[in-house]
Amino acid sequence: SQTIHQWPATLVQPVGSPLSLECTVEGTSNPNLYWYRQAAGRGLQLLFYSVGIGQISSEVPQNLSASRPQDRQFILSSKKLLLSDSGFYLCAWSVPSGSIWSYEQYFGPGTRLTVT
Amino acid sequence: DQQVKQNSPSLSVQEGRISILNCDYTNSMFDYFLWYKKYPAEGPTFLISISSIKDKNEDGRFTVFLNKSAKHLSLHIVPSQPGDSAVYFCAASGTYGQNFVFGPGTRLSVLP
Repeated sequence: SQTIHQWPATLVQPVGSPLSLECTVEGTSNPNLYWYRQAAGRGLQLLFYSVGIGQISSEVPQNLSASRPQDRQFILSSKKLLLSDSGFYLCAWSVPSGSIWSYEQYFGPGTRLTVT
Repeated sequence: DQQVKQNSPSLSVQEGRISILNCDYTNSMFDYFLWYKKYPAEGPTFLISISSIKDKNEDGRFTVFLNKSAKHLSLHIVPSQPGDSAVYFCAASGTYGQNFVFGPGTRLSVLP
């Protein structure tokens, strides 16, 4: 069966510090991978998606970047965190299909980031 | 511009009664609709979905109804159980899953 891991579970970082969140998927090959953010009181916002190694698409301009160095590894980074980067970050995967998107996405446990 | 709306941020229901969660969308290109359930500090889990060619899909205690002309869908949970207490997200996508958009969520509390 497929499993998705995210770490760390919680993180408190000062403004201006760098960020690296990691997500790995097991039990599937060439998944589509996604990074979402849920800010307090708001819905899930898609940040990045990837259909393969080194292929990253950004949905919204922001202080963050993503990389996919391996097939089942997706990393969310920032060089300098802002207060507005605080939120709950979720990684998700979906079955690779002919389209970039798949109907159902499966989510990791999330990382709660607090920027102070 | 919010393409998927869930106008009730919260809902409280008595155990055993019906919970009805509503969702409205604005993009007529949406063809596939999904409901996700999310517990605190966990990622969302897929619950049930419906294609635009149907107006109802049922899975156990969960039923989703779609009214395309009104651009409205609803999730019915019968009977509601305390374990159903969670945030429920409505999501929509195009025919091939593109333009996947989540609503802001509705927090359901099922009271014992």
